[in-house]
Amino acid sequence: EAQVTQNPRYLITVTGKKLTVTCSQNMNHEYMSWYRQDPGLGLRQIYYSMNVEVTDKGDVPEGYKVSRKEKRNFPLILESPSPNQTSLYFCASSLLAGITDTQYFGPGTRLTVL
Amino acid sequence: AQSVTQLDSHVSVSEGTPVLLRCNYSSSYSPSLFWYVQHPNKGLQLLLKYTSAATLVKGINGFEAEFKKSETSFHLTKPSAHMSDAAEYFCVVMNNAGNNRKLIWGLGTSLAVNP
Repeated sequence: EAQVTQNPRYLITVTGKKLTVTCSQNMNHEYMSWYRQDPGLGLRQIYYSMNVEVTDKGDVPEGYKVSRKEKRNFPLILESPSPNQTSLYFCASSLLAGITDTQYFGPGTRLTVL
Repeated sequence: AQSVTQLDSHVSVSEGTPVLLRCNYSSSYSPSLFWYVQHPNKGLQLLLKYTSAATLVKGINGFEAEFKKSETSFHLTKPSAHMSDAAEYFCVVMNNAGNNRKLIWGLGTSLAVNP
């Protein structure tokens, strides 16, 4: 089944403890992206990747890192999480970065930082 | 800059009656527009998309949307609501400038369907 997977789905952690949220797609997509969803603010892009080894900042990159060493994986790294990073995170992918390409979303990761 | 505005934060309908969720967009370019749905504690599912082909777009589960350039609108409709349609709906415009195909989201419309 074609899909985007994220792990973990739920995570409660403490301030400053490094964590990684994994994202993997099995559709051979080149474009991948991370969003966070917050009440009253909607979804905002954190980082995106056009292809392997090509990543760039989105609208809210502070406090996050990403890597794209393989086409299928695009992990989101929080090196020193803070409570303001408590949010619902979504990974997305599309075949290319064309204006007609549909972006498919993972199931989301709900992160709580205490 | 591109943006979308969902005109209603909450819509309540009775089962079997029509659904109308309103969205206005702003874009300097010919826009690519989408509607996504989010059911409680679920991910984001694409309902339909407009990418400068037919202005009336049909999607899944009986939903459709009409692109009206003169009104800068992309309203979502369904002739007859089902209980299973209760969810959060997002109108989205894709960034068409540069390489980043980020999706720019409205704040969502919560649809309640009453028996």
